[in-house]
Amino acid sequence: DGGITQSPKYLFRKEGQNVTLSCEQNLNHDAMYWYRQDPGQGLRLIYYSQIVNDFQKGDIAEGYSVSREKKESFPLTVTSAQKNPTAFYLCASSIVQGARSSYQETQYFGPGTRLLVL
Amino acid sequence: QKEVEQNSGPLSVPEGAIASLNCTYSDRGSQSFFWYRQYSGKSPELIMSIYSNGDKEDGRFTAQLNKASQYVSLLIRDSQPSDSATYLCAGNSGYSTLTFGKGTMLLVSP
Repeated sequence: DGGITQSPKYLFRKEGQNVTLSCEQNLNHDAMYWYRQDPGQGLRLIYYSQIVNDFQKGDIAEGYSVSREKKESFPLTVTSAQKNPTAFYLCASSIVQGARSSYQETQYFGPGTRLLVL
Repeated sequence: QKEVEQNSGPLSVPEGAIASLNCTYSDRGSQSFFWYRQYSGKSPELIMSIYSNGDKEDGRFTAQLNKASQYVSLLIRDSQPSDSATYLCAGNSGYSTLTFGKGTMLLVSP
């Protein structure tokens, strides 16, 4: 059964604690992404990775870290430096089609992890 | 700063009517556009993609792209209560990352 899985579905963080959100895909997609969604806000990009062992900061990377050791996996760590971590975290992966002049990339999302602060 | 703008809504339509959702974008280099549907508490689900000017139809959904006006729309024919959700518009240019709008909430009343 192909797809993108995220775990856990809900995660509770105590103040000063680092927590890691899991994202796995078996779609053979090259690129993976982490977004954060707050109520009434659009999706904001945290980090993304287009190939294994390489990743780039998105618009709101402060307080977060990632790794991409395997094509299938892109875990996100919410560090204690992230002062307002309560949000819905979405992982996505994408398939790329076409040459540079006709580049087409389509992103698909996992089910999400809701992070709450105790 | 690349921006994708959507009216937050809610857009209310009666069951069976056509729902028209609109989106404008600031980056003239944008090539690809996507509509995602997001039910409350769930993750976004891709429903349409469009890359060329004109219309693209898939079942009850039609995406329309006008690059000269920097305008993308999604029409939902024969709207059903199950279509009630937030619809996210997104676009990108070349190898750039997707830029998302904040979404339009659609309410379809029986």
